[in-house]
Amino acid sequence: QKEVEQDPGPLSVPEGAIVSLNCTYSNSAFQYFMWYRQYSRKGPELLMYTYSSGNKEDGRFTAQVDKSSKYISLFIRDSQPSDSATYLCAMSRINSGYALNFGKGTSLLVTP
Amino acid sequence: GAVVSQHPSWVICKSGTSVKIECRSLDFQATTMFWYRQFPKQSLMLMATSNEGSKATYEQGVEKDKFLINHASLTLSTLTVTSAHPEDSSFYICSARRDENTIYFGEGSWLTVV
Repeated sequence: QKEVEQDPGPLSVPEGAIVSLNCTYSNSAFQYFMWYRQYSRKGPELLMYTYSSGNKEDGRFTAQVDKSSKYISLFIRDSQPSDSATYLCAMSRINSGYALNFGKGTSLLVTP
Repeated sequence: GAVVSQHPSWVICKSGTSVKIECRSLDFQATTMFWYRQFPKQSLMLMATSNEGSKATYEQGVEKDKFLINHASLTLSTLTVTSAHPEDSSFYICSARRDENTIYFGEGSWLTVV
């Protein structure tokens, strides 16, 4: 079993829809949780990070962490065509030097 | 703007030659940098963790003699692919840790070995 599982999609939604992206993980030692956005042939761009269970909001993006269920989510409100990209969840723990373990990434397409 | 610069963005080399990729943190000092490899439609796979002033820590299955990592300063880490072969063709991405919450990635380097 991979440490981080993420449905690769693709996920196609109409413009303006609410998008829900999810990851599950198996290692309870993970403490830091991040979401990255990656456009084709580019390096990942940090969107959000969270440390503990709960919600964190930044503009149209909301990140949720449920450590008891080992489940994290990213919600995108009022999705735009420019949000079309691959979204990667990542997590790290202190005793690995904060090296990131990535999910496979979910490919999102927002259609006008 | 970018906080981690990676160079070159694209490189084509002949089989058997060596290629060096640089990763620089632009406005912060990074004691730890990471090197990843990403195949098409796959996730990022950690190759090694690079700590300034000490030897890199390689992930299982990554040949340390083939992928030489040097982290000589707090703002620069280099990855050298030695005796490159076509199967080494991939997208190589570095990242630099600013703090425990924030890790920034470079734009990546496409390596094609012909």
